[in-house]
Amino acid sequence: DQQVKQNSPSLSVQEGRISILNCDYTNSMFDYFLWYKKYPAEGPTFLISISSIKDKNEDGRFTVFLNKSAKHLSLHIVPSQPGDSAVYFCAASALGNQFYFGTGTSLTVIP
Amino acid sequence: DVKVTQSSRYLVKRTGEKVFLECVQDMDHENMFWYRQDPGLGLRLIYFSYDVKMKEKGDIPEGYSVSREKKERFSLILESASTNQTSMYLCASSHSSPHSTDTQYFGPGTRLTVL
Repeated sequence: DQQVKQNSPSLSVQEGRISILNCDYTNSMFDYFLWYKKYPAEGPTFLISISSIKDKNEDGRFTVFLNKSAKHLSLHIVPSQPGDSAVYFCAASALGNQFYFGTGTSLTVIP
Repeated sequence: DVKVTQSSRYLVKRTGEKVFLECVQDMDHENMFWYRQDPGLGLRLIYFSYDVKMKEKGDIPEGYSVSREKKERFSLILESASTNQTSMYLCASSHSSPHSTDTQYFGPGTRLTVL
């Protein structure tokens, strides 16, 4: 059973607007979360992380929010740029064990 | 910059063949991982290794084996390839041991097709 879910397979956003990518998880023991970005024909690259002791982490245009009670995290990209068009994966781990990945959301930023 | 390389970008094999996928990292990472990526299923962990000659099963080890004779190299072996092993295979590495919350760095992937 999928422990990490990304329920939106795709998302289209106008350039300059905000992109919000969502991720839900079922395992309450997860305490560390990552977002990866993947371009076609390339491996995923690390984007941003958050530990469960925080509810927000920001890095430039990228912000990750964690709502532990709802078992939900989201990635905000502001402003969105055409180069952000990629597949985004969220991943979660518990107590330093293996990461579980979501199914990915394909983001298209329209110029 | 961390570099993780995989021996082939594209591979076509026949059912029943033995297949080797090689992965090399140049950052002296202790941990190495093999995933497969399939549409609608995301990345699923096949095997990982946190030290030379050490290996642990991930979520879907059936039909696969691994070898780690040197720290920088982690090989995935399909003993007898089957069509349901057609997939994108991704290798990754990270610091720390035995298990890690450190960032994993991925290779470019090998798209394997089994006919």
